[in-house]
Amino acid sequence: GALVYQYPRRTICKSGTSMRMECQAVGFQATSVAWYRQSPQKTFELIALSTVNSAIKYEQNFTQEKFPISHPNLSFSSMTVLNAYLEDRGLYLCGARRDWLQNTLYFGAGTRLSVL
Amino acid sequence: GEQVEQLPSSLIVQEGASVLINCSYTDSASVYFPWYKQEPGKRLQFIIDIRSNMERKQTQRLTLLFDKKTKHLSLHITATQPGDSAIYFCSAISGGNYKPTFGKGTSLVVHP
Repeated sequence: GALVYQYPRRTICKSGTSMRMECQAVGFQATSVAWYRQSPQKTFELIALSTVNSAIKYEQNFTQEKFPISHPNLSFSSMTVLNAYLEDRGLYLCGARRDWLQNTLYFGAGTRLSVL
Repeated sequence: GEQVEQLPSSLIVQEGASVLINCSYTDSASVYFPWYKQEPGKRLQFIIDIRSNMERKQTQRLTLLFDKKTKHLSLHITATQPGDSAIYFCSAISGGNYKPTFGKGTSLVVHP
């Protein structure tokens, strides 16, 4: 089956520091990876959509300078939160699209970021 | 851009009841609508989907209805069980630009 693993599950960082989170697709090739942030109120914000061999598309209010993403192959993507502050807290979810013919995203369990 | 609204925001029912979750979207270019379920501490799980060329889709206790004219969807869950307790999310994806947009979710609590 198609599974997506995210690491770490939880992380705490000091205000102003950075942290990197990883997303691994197992059992399938992820042609696209969508990174979301879920607020405590459960609202989803799309941060960026990363497609292999294509430019990463960032949504308004999210920039490459703040959330650099790497998607080097069809099974792995990583995102870094640079200079994290309180407003960056939340559950970061990675959703992987299986192939061009399927539109469903397979999600990891998320990386919960706390900022002190 | 696309906006997805879900109502109600929460539902509390007794086991065995049926529930209806409504979802509306704004972008007429959206053609694919997957729904997900999120149980506490667990990953989002795909549960059912529908394409804009369909009006109805059913799988086990889930029935998804789609009205292209009104840009409205509704998810009907019958014979609810405590294991159905979760947050349910509607999402919309455009045909031209792959960019899944989620609603704010509907929290369902099913009491035994």
